[in-house]
This record gives sequence, C-alpha cells and structure tokens, in this order.
Amino acid sequence: DVQMTQSPSNLAASPGESVSINCKASKSISKYLAWYQQKPGKANKLLIYSGSTLQSGTPSRFSGSGSGTDFTLTIRNLEPEDFGLYYCQQHNEYPPTFGSGTKLEIK
Amino acid sequence: QVQLMESGPGLVQPSETLSLTCTVSGFSLTSYNVHWVRQPPGKGLEWMGVMWSGGSTDYNSALKSRLSISRDTSKNQVFLKMNSLQSEDTTTYYCAREDTTVGYYFDYWGQGVMVTVSS
Repeated sequence: DVQMTQSPSNLAASPGESVSINCKASKSISKYLAWYQQKPGKANKLLIYSGSTLQSGTPSRFSGSGSGTDFTLTIRNLEPEDFGLYYCQQHNEYPPTFGSGTKLEIK
Repeated sequence: QVQLMESGPGLVQPSETLSLTCTVSGFSLTSYNVHWVRQPPGKGLEWMGVMWSGGSTDYNSALKSRLSISRDTSKNQVFLKMNSLQSEDTTTYYCAREDTTVGYYFDYWGQGVMVTVSS
C-alpha cells in the first residue's frame, strides 16, 4: 500500500493569511491526490482531486499542486470557516490511503 | 441531492459483531461504488472496504478476516458487519461514495457514526 506522510500535523494562522500543507507519498502516484476538509458534526468535504482540480463548490482561494510524490495544498486569504482538519488521500491505486491529517487552528 | 447516512449501535460489547447500515439517496448503488472508512478518536482515516457497483466487494487486508460488506439495492442500503470487536475498533465509521470522474476518491460522505466497544 502507498504510505502518505502529511505535514505539519498542526498549523496556526490568522484570518487573511496564507498557509500550505504538504503531503508526501511513499512512491509515485502521478497526479492523483485528493484533499478533504473535516469539521465536527459535518460530512467530510472533498476540496481537490487529481492534485489540482477543484471540486465543484470549492472556493478559488484553495489550490493544489504537485506530482509524483510531493504535493501541497495552499489556502490563500484564510477565512474563519477554513479552520479545521485537512487530510490528503492518494487515488492513484487501490487501496486508497490517507495522510495523518493537519489541524489548522486560529492563531 | 446526494446523501449518505450511517446508522447503527453506539455501543458494542467486546468480542461481539458490529452491524452498520449506510442508507443512500440521490444516486444508484448499481452506478456508484460505496466505501467504508473509519477514524479512531484523534487519529487519521483508514479505508476499510468497498461495495463495487457491480455487487462484488474488496476489503482492507488487515480487516479482511473480520469484515463483510453487503447491500440491498431495493432499499438503497449498504451494510457493514465486523466480528470479534476489540477496544481498538472504537472509532467513527463513515460510508462514502466514490466519484466516477477519475476514481478512488470520495465526493460525498456520511456524517459518520461513533461506535464504542466496551463492556
């Protein structure tokens, strides 16, 4: 199985700032990485798939980049609703595997 | 609109069998794959298994001996059964729909059901 290493595990930022979350795969997954947002009491939300394709409804302040083994989720101009947990997931091969998560908190 | 909703007992005795139901709406189980994913408290997400749209199943190799996934297409439901539960199976269980655009990622999730294994 492909191992996904996500960093940092915790991140604090203020509204209006930009942040980046990294995800590293144990082997090449081409461009096939998804990003999810998780908030208490809500269903997990797909933000980005195939590395950089925004899911319908994802605000343009979110962007994804990378290919091969190294990927980044960038959130520009943070809004209060962006704070929560973020997970990466490789969807290049079966079985799908997830990163360990990044908790984005308000500074 | 697309919805998935997990249901099941909140508390299960050690060594017993967990039975969960994922009730879906807004799409057909014969057109989309539905997966089960779990998340221990404060930890990351673990893929458990899948009900393929054609009716076959696949399981996480670490859980395969204890896990069974089935469905009732007439009721739009997917079922998960896992036996020999232990404390480490105390987690939130999610069902999720696999997007067909590219595959192997999840465009809709249920809100999850928390299951505690305890006597």
